[in-house]
Amino acid sequence: DADVTQTPRNRITKTGKRIMLECSQTKGHDRMYWYRQDPGLGLRLIYYSFDVKDINKGEISDGYSVSRQAQAKFSLSLESAIPNQTALYFCATSDSSGGNYNEQFFGPGTRLTVL
Amino acid sequence: EDQVTQSPEALRLQEGESSSLNCSYTVSGLRGLFWYRQDPGKGPEFLFTLYSAGEEKEKERLKATLTKKESFLHITAPKPEDSATYLCAVPRPLGGSQGNLIFGKGTKLSVKP
Repeated sequence: DADVTQTPRNRITKTGKRIMLECSQTKGHDRMYWYRQDPGLGLRLIYYSFDVKDINKGEISDGYSVSRQAQAKFSLSLESAIPNQTALYFCATSDSSGGNYNEQFFGPGTRLTVL
Repeated sequence: EDQVTQSPEALRLQEGESSSLNCSYTVSGLRGLFWYRQDPGKGPEFLFTLYSAGEEKEKERLKATLTKKESFLHITAPKPEDSATYLCAVPRPLGGSQGNLIFGKGTKLSVKP
């Protein structure tokens, strides 16, 4: 089974609809992240969470919100979807232990299309 | 400004033709450099972490090296299955948005048989 799972994998929705993307992990990591990827723009951080009670905005948080329901679950919501939120969305996790800055592990992605 | 720049943007190789990808960074107080491989429509797959200048890591046909200003991903005798986009990333400096990685835009590698 995959260590980081995302649901749904594909979603087509209409402008103005509320959408939730979910991420679960079995790696036991304390840190979780949401990114979006657009052609030519690379990966951009939306929100990140260092533990259940610590949530931080990334570089492009406007129009998004998140919830860390448990250490293993981190969801991303689009309150009122707009077409320029059409993108590939990735969840990632990392472990803060060991003293070094540790690598992030990514989920398979959700392809979101807003019409 | 903290930046990560990858070159070239795209690289086409013949099978067996070795080459190198470059990742240069301007972040001060480097706390690690990460290489990922990404196939179209899929999540980035972690390859290597490098923490200090002079460090090298190898995996099959790939070898990553690190200096004080840049990292190289050397690909020896590539095969078509090595075709992918290769991303590098570094953490933002302490005192900034800790936990954030700065990603380069990637090098798209195509290996023809």
